[in-house]
Amino acid sequence: EDQVTQSPEALRLQEGESSSLNCSYTVSGLRGLFWYRQDPGKGPEFLFTLYSAGEEKEKERLKATLTKKESFLHITAPKPEDSATYLCAVQAWNQFYFGTGTSLTVIP
Amino acid sequence: DADVTQTPRNRITKTGKRIMLECSQTKGHDRMYWYRQDPGLGLRLIYYSFDVKDINKGEISDGYSVSRQAQAKFSLSLESAIPNQTALYFCATRSRGGDTQYFGPGTRLTVL
Repeated sequence: EDQVTQSPEALRLQEGESSSLNCSYTVSGLRGLFWYRQDPGKGPEFLFTLYSAGEEKEKERLKATLTKKESFLHITAPKPEDSATYLCAVQAWNQFYFGTGTSLTVIP
Repeated sequence: DADVTQTPRNRITKTGKRIMLECSQTKGHDRMYWYRQDPGLGLRLIYYSFDVKDINKGEISDGYSVSRQAQAKFSLSLESAIPNQTALYFCATRSRGGDTQYFGPGTRLTVL
C-alpha cells in the first residue's frame, strides 16, 4: 500500500535553532517527491520537487534532500515567519499521496 | 487575480442536501484535482481529470461526483451530504508536462 509518513507531527523551535523534518514513503512507481508549505486557512504552496536519490534543492533557509526511502527538509536558522505546516507528497503514476504534515512553530 | 479560485469559500449545509463546489483556473493547465483535508488524515485525492473527457476516481470518491465543464472549470458535487463530509476541500491544477500542483484557497464545508 502506498504510504507517506511525516515526523514529527509538531515542532517548536527557538528563532535561529536549526532542525530537520522527516518524510518517509513506501510507494511503487515513484515519479517525484514534493514539499509544500501551508499557512492556516490557505492552500498548500509549492516549495520543492525531488526526483532521484541524492538530489538536493535549496531555497533561502530551507534545504530538501532525498534518499530511496525518505526525504528531509532542513531548516537553518529559522525565523518566526517560517512558522507553518510543511507537507510532503509523492507522485506514484498518476496519483499524489500526501503525508499529514509537520506543524512548525518558530518562537522569537 | 488568483490563478486558481474556489467558490464558495465557506458553506454550511444540512444532511441530505445537494451541494456543488466550483473551481476555476486561469493557468491554462489541462489537469485538475479535487482533494479533501481532514485533521490527522492529510490531503486525500477525491477525483482528478486530465482533460474534459478524461475523469478518474481517486482514493476516496464514494459519495462524490465531478463535472469538467471546460478546461478551466472543474466542479465537485455531493449528491446527498452527510456529516462526515465536513472537511476543507481543495482544488489543484497541473500542466501536462509539469509535476507541480497549484492549489486554490480551499472551501470549508460543514454538514450539520
